[in-house]
Amino acid sequence: EVQLVESGGGLVKPGGSLRLSCAASGFTFSSYSMNWVRQAPGKGLEWVSSISSSSSYIYYADSVKGRFTISRDNAKNSLYLQMNSLRAEDTAVYYCARDPTGTMRPYYFDYWGQGTLVTVSS
Amino acid sequence: QSALTQPASVSGSPGQSITISCTGTSSDVGGYNYVSWYQQHPGKAPKLMIYDVSNRPSGVSNRFSGSKSGNTASLTISGLQAEDEADYYCSSYTSSSTYVVFGGGTKLTVL
Repeated sequence: EVQLVESGGGLVKPGGSLRLSCAASGFTFSSYSMNWVRQAPGKGLEWVSSISSSSSYIYYADSVKGRFTISRDNAKNSLYLQMNSLRAEDTAVYYCARDPTGTMRPYYFDYWGQGTLVTVSS
Repeated sequence: QSALTQPASVSGSPGQSITISCTGTSSDVGGYNYVSWYQQHPGKAPKLMIYDVSNRPSGVSNRFSGSKSGNTASLTISGLQAEDEADYYCSSYTSSSTYVVFGGGTKLTVL
C-alpha cells in the first residue's frame, strides 16, 4: 500500500524557516517524481514544487522561487521542503504527492499524504 | 484568482447526474490532454478521480467520467450518491512556468 506521511509543520514567525519531510513507503520511491502541493485555509490547491526521480529536474512555483528548496533522499525514501523567508501567505496545509507519469515535468498526482499544517504568524 | 475557472458550487439529488466545468486557455486545458480531477472531503487529502482528461484510476467508480471540448474540461458524476458530496478540483498541465495549474474548486452538495 502506497503511503506518504508528512511531518515538520508548525507555527513559525514571518521571516523564519521550516523544513518539511515526507516519508514514503509501499512503492519504489526512487522511480517517481515527487511534488509539494499546498492549500491555504479554506482555499484551493496550489502546486509548489516538483523534483524528478534522480533530482535532475527541479521546478518551483513563482510564489516560492528563491525561498523554498525541494530535495530528496532515495536511500531514505524521503522528500523534503526547506522553507526560508516565510510569509503569512505561506500559511497552508502542505501535501506531499506522487506523480506517476515518469516525466521530468509535473502532470498529475495519484497519491497524496495527509498533509502538515504550516502557520506563519507573529 | 485561480488559473482555471470552476463554478463555486453545484448540487443534485441522489440518482441524478451533474457536470462540473473547468475553463482554461489554449496554454493549458485547450492545448494538452493532461486534465485531471480531484475529490476532496473535508479535512482529507485530495484523491485522484480522473487523469489525462478521461481516464479513471483503478478503484474509481465508473460513475465518474471526464471530457474536454476546446478550452473547457468537464467532470460528470452520474447516479449521485451521498458520499459524492465533496469539493472537486480540476488541474491541467500548462506551458507556462507554473507547470501545473488548479481550478478554484467546486463544492458539490447532494440534496
